[in-house]
Amino acid sequence: NAGVTQTPKFRILKIGQSMTLQCAQDMNHNYMYWYRQDPGMGLKLIYYSVGAGITDKGEVPNGYNVSRSTTEDFPLRLELAAPSQTSVYFCASSAFSNQPQHFGDGTRLSIL
Amino acid sequence: AQSVAQPEDQVNVAEGNPLTVKCTYSVSGNPYLFWYVQYPNRGLQFLLKYITGDNLVKGSYGFEAEFNKSQTSFHLKKPSALVSDSALYFCAVRDENNDMRFGAGTRLTVKP
Repeated sequence: NAGVTQTPKFRILKIGQSMTLQCAQDMNHNYMYWYRQDPGMGLKLIYYSVGAGITDKGEVPNGYNVSRSTTEDFPLRLELAAPSQTSVYFCASSAFSNQPQHFGDGTRLSIL
Repeated sequence: AQSVAQPEDQVNVAEGNPLTVKCTYSVSGNPYLFWYVQYPNRGLQFLLKYITGDNLVKGSYGFEAEFNKSQTSFHLKKPSALVSDSALYFCAVRDENNDMRFGAGTRLTVKP
């Protein structure tokens, strides 16, 4: 029972590089979310999607992009990595907006 | 805009003693309230939720939470703490616009 799978688990980038964080869920959930977790700051919503083809900005979307071509996948793109994007990134999904979210184990990203 | 506050960064209790992790919220309309737990190097795991109904909500691993509308609080409780309960706990609130906000987290340490 995989749930939400995130890859890679760890990554180090140089300033200005780009990369895509992958997220896949096998629960047929409509809603998917990307968060970043910084120490002592809780989780901040970056982007979310309410279904395939529909995405919207969260609280901290600058520097990121997303797409949702299928129900299962919700990749997060960093185009020009900056040190301020060093964080732990979590993907989550839920069946409906008022239902509990299921989280992946995170991607730890360092930008040097 | 809605918000959620966890006034304690750290809570220490002895094994076998009752524990309380505090959460207060501010939201327009009826709140949807959640508690999640995070173990090291893992994503958040759902513990319990309040949407409507009884003010005392029972969840996973013997945890419960009491919704208090007049005090706008949703404190997490457990009658007898275990060392294995040591983790990071997050309160979250979703309002009628489906915007989700997480608290900054409270680190619970249960000492043998």
